[in-house]
Amino acid sequence: DAGVTQSPTHLIKTRGQHVTLRCSPISGHKSVSWYQQVLGQGPQFIFQYYEKEERGRGNFPDRFSARQFPNYSSELNVNALLLGDSALYLCASSKRSARDYEYNEQFFGPGTRLTVL
Amino acid sequence: AQSVTQLGSHVSVSEGALVLLRCNYSSSVPPYLFWYVQYPNQGLQLLLKYTSAATLVKGINGFEAEFKKSETSFHLTKPSAHMSDAAEYFCAVSKSGNKLVFGAGTILRVKS
Repeated sequence: DAGVTQSPTHLIKTRGQHVTLRCSPISGHKSVSWYQQVLGQGPQFIFQYYEKEERGRGNFPDRFSARQFPNYSSELNVNALLLGDSALYLCASSKRSARDYEYNEQFFGPGTRLTVL
Repeated sequence: AQSVTQLGSHVSVSEGALVLLRCNYSSSVPPYLFWYVQYPNQGLQLLLKYTSAATLVKGINGFEAEFKKSETSFHLTKPSAHMSDAAEYFCAVSKSGNKLVFGAGTILRVKS
């Protein structure tokens, strides 16, 4: 079975531009989460979507947005890019969006490396 | 709020030596705990997870970790390091596995 796939693998943009990153979850998974990993740091949670609805949002500005499509794939959009947005963007899929204390394993994709010049 | 502290941003061991990577967590409720490994230019691979079953958790590639509630720790160990273990390791905590809170990571170097 295919794992989580992300596209593109690498991307170079300039400040002020807009970017769209894409993620396809594992077949049968209905939840997608996005994380940002700045060089030298651990990943930080950006969004979680389940059944096309936002189920969680991290501490990121409104320039960051996402959506989930009927086939459960997802897009992460970032507007007005800043140098500080340069990072590895990771997508993770899971079968569902679990309630607290209900375990729900996430599977990570290889990431999209975004460089903002 | 949940948080994770990984002691030591870089750890260096000789091949065949014990690997010990330290992780302490802060959580107001019993958490789920994870160790992930990341090889250069790749995504995250789950090594092992604690989900309130056995406190000693065995993972892939010979790694294991012990959940110690009294110490709020979840240290990762491997009896004998291999060159292929060189990578960056992340400890993470979550109430459910939905929103993972990661530590800053520890880069493991294995010397021949």
